[in-house]
Amino acid sequence: GQQLNQSPQSMFIQEGEDVSMNCTSSSIFNTWLWYKQDPGEGPVLLIALYKAGELTSNGRLTAQFGITRKDSFLNISASIPSDVGIYFCAGQPPQGASKLTFGTGTRLQVTL
Amino acid sequence: KAGVTQTPRYLIKTRGQQVTLSCSPISGHRSVSWYQQTPGQGLQFLFEYFSETQRNKGNFPGRFSGRQFSNSRSEMNVSTLELGDSALYLCASSLEGRSPLHFGNGTRLTVT
Repeated sequence: GQQLNQSPQSMFIQEGEDVSMNCTSSSIFNTWLWYKQDPGEGPVLLIALYKAGELTSNGRLTAQFGITRKDSFLNISASIPSDVGIYFCAGQPPQGASKLTFGTGTRLQVTL
Repeated sequence: KAGVTQTPRYLIKTRGQQVTLSCSPISGHRSVSWYQQTPGQGLQFLFEYFSETQRNKGNFPGRFSGRQFSNSRSEMNVSTLELGDSALYLCASSLEGRSPLHFGNGTRLTVT
């Protein structure tokens, strides 16, 4: 099945550093979503973006919906140990709104 | 407000058997979607139910089926299990339309 290109695949960072990850697609999406998944749990919604060019923040997280509607990025500022996990982007198409296409995931590990 | 509840959390089945997984959506949510998560293929859309009707379907064989009840609870069935069906099966609910999906913690199915 299709997956969106998400990079980087994994990253090791030190506590306090900023993190940036992005997601690209060959298709246009109406909505971009960012999720975080911890081991043994389901993905938890972090940010939802509904409009091309939109920049949205949720605490230390900031995400943007690309102007072309084919990409999105997520920034985490001043990372802390509990930021560890796998981050997924997901695109929501114009039709079939629940038929999300997910990215390949970015595994984040934070060292003290 | 209770989140999406999936039961059971873990299942071990033998090839050729069939299995039924259950999902209770967030109260008031009418759309229920199912996803399969594997290390190789990532998160893949199975199907979506809304008001007891299948509204969208992914690219999975007919061995995968589901249904939704009048209270929005949903079940997913996999018949004639294969080793490759071993995965984390995630259920997600949403109000409807473009509202974001909220995931449960999944059912981990192991086929031996």
